[in-house]
Amino acid sequence: QVQLVQSGGEVKKPGASVKVSCKASGYTFSSYGISWVRQAPGQGLEWMGWISGYNGNTNYAQNLQDRVTMTTDTSTSTAYMELRSLRFDDTAVYYCARDLSVVTSALGYWGQGTLVTVSS
Amino acid sequence: EIVMTQSPATLSVSPGERATLSCRASQSVSSNLAWYQHKPGQAPRLLIYGASTRATDIPARFSGSGSGTEFTLIISSLQSEDFAVYYCQQYNNWPPWTFGQGTKVEIK
Repeated sequence: QVQLVQSGGEVKKPGASVKVSCKASGYTFSSYGISWVRQAPGQGLEWMGWISGYNGNTNYAQNLQDRVTMTTDTSTSTAYMELRSLRFDDTAVYYCARDLSVVTSALGYWGQGTLVTVSS
Repeated sequence: EIVMTQSPATLSVSPGERATLSCRASQSVSSNLAWYQHKPGQAPRLLIYGASTRATDIPARFSGSGSGTEFTLIISSLQSEDFAVYYCQQYNNWPPWTFGQGTKVEIK
């Protein structure tokens, strides 16, 4: 079955960078895209961007595009999200989520979430 | 950017009753609309995609309708496990894909 397993929680200082991984299994990694979605404490869901599992093409939310980089390693079926110049309001649970199908970009499968805490 | 607006923010419902959740898009998203259920400490769960198609293993008491700018999620008879926050999301125009702010369904 499809599984997305994310890396563990992180505590970072303001200005630092964080890189979260999302290891996929149970499907052909190159056939589907992966989005990253975050939820700050007490807030709703925010889509951060998407990366193709096929060719690494990306599409980022405009408010994050200067600070975020999404990559993949097809040899290990792993997607990565790096966020730089961390601010206090980047404290959130970060999720990776796979496209439901090759024709539907609804987010059908989700990782368990990774808590990133930005604290001085 | 397409803005998704959900109403109400909170819905108080008794078990066994019907819940009706609304989602409005600031411009047409065709039928490229999904609904998710989110419980504390868990990942969101896809309920509905294509505005009206239930995802795998989603009970029939969940139904979605609408197209263009107006969408509805109905939970026909609320079970205890259905109390959660529900989000709509458009995936018609990007970037970004956008979520509504959520509707919390709580026990009355």
